[in-house]
Amino acid sequence: SQTIHQWPATLVQPVGSPLSLECTVEGTSNPNLYWYRQAAGRGLQLLFYSVGIGQISSEVPQNLSASRPQDRQFILSSKKLLLSDSGFYLCAWSVREYQPQHFGDGTRLSIL
Amino acid sequence: ILNVEQSPQSLHVQEGDSTNFTCSFPSSNFYALHWYRWETAKSPEALFVMTLNGDEKKKGRISATLNTKEGYSYLYIKGSQPEDSATYLCAFNGGGGSNYKLTFGKGTLLTVNP
Repeated sequence: SQTIHQWPATLVQPVGSPLSLECTVEGTSNPNLYWYRQAAGRGLQLLFYSVGIGQISSEVPQNLSASRPQDRQFILSSKKLLLSDSGFYLCAWSVREYQPQHFGDGTRLSIL
Repeated sequence: ILNVEQSPQSLHVQEGDSTNFTCSFPSSNFYALHWYRWETAKSPEALFVMTLNGDEKKKGRISATLNTKEGYSYLYIKGSQPEDSATYLCAFNGGGGSNYKLTFGKGTLLTVNP
C-alpha cells in the first residue's frame, strides 16, 4: 500500500533562517506531488506541484521554492524565512490529476 | 481568482441528527469537485471525487450531490456520530491549464455532541 511521510512535525525557526521540509512517498511510481500551506484563518493553498522529477510548477510567488530530486521525494525550501511563512504545511500525492489526493501529517511551522 | 465557498463555517449537532452543508464553486470550466474530511491531529482524508452533473456518491452514512450548472455540491451526514466530528473540505478542480490545481474552501467544522 502507498504511504506518505512528511517531517518534521513541528518546527520553530527565527526570521531570516533557512528552511527545508521533506516529503517522501512509498508504494507508487511517478506520483503527482503537491505542497500546500494553511495560514491562520485561511483555506488550504496550493504552493507547488510536480508531475515528474525536476518538474516544478509554482502557484504563488513567494520566497519559497520546491525541488523534486527523486521520483518520490519532494522538498520545500527557503533561503530566508519571513514571519508570513508561518503556517501548517501539507504534502500530498495523487496518481494523476483529477484523482483524490493523499496527504501527509503536516508540519506546523512557527517563525519567531 | 477562483472562489470556493463553504457554509456554514461551523456546525454543532447532537448525536443522531442528520446534517448537511454546502460548497459553491465556479460553474464554468468545471472538471471535478472533491470532498475531504480532516480530523484534528490527522491528515485530510479523501471522501469523494465527483465529475458528472447530477452525480450522487455515498460512503456509509455520508453522501454528496453535485450540480455543476449552478455550481454547488451538498454533503449529507445521516445519523451523525461523535466520530464524524471533523472539518469537511471541498475543493474545485478546473479543466484546461488548471488540471493539477485544487482550490479549497475554508471548510465546515462539524462538532457532534454525544
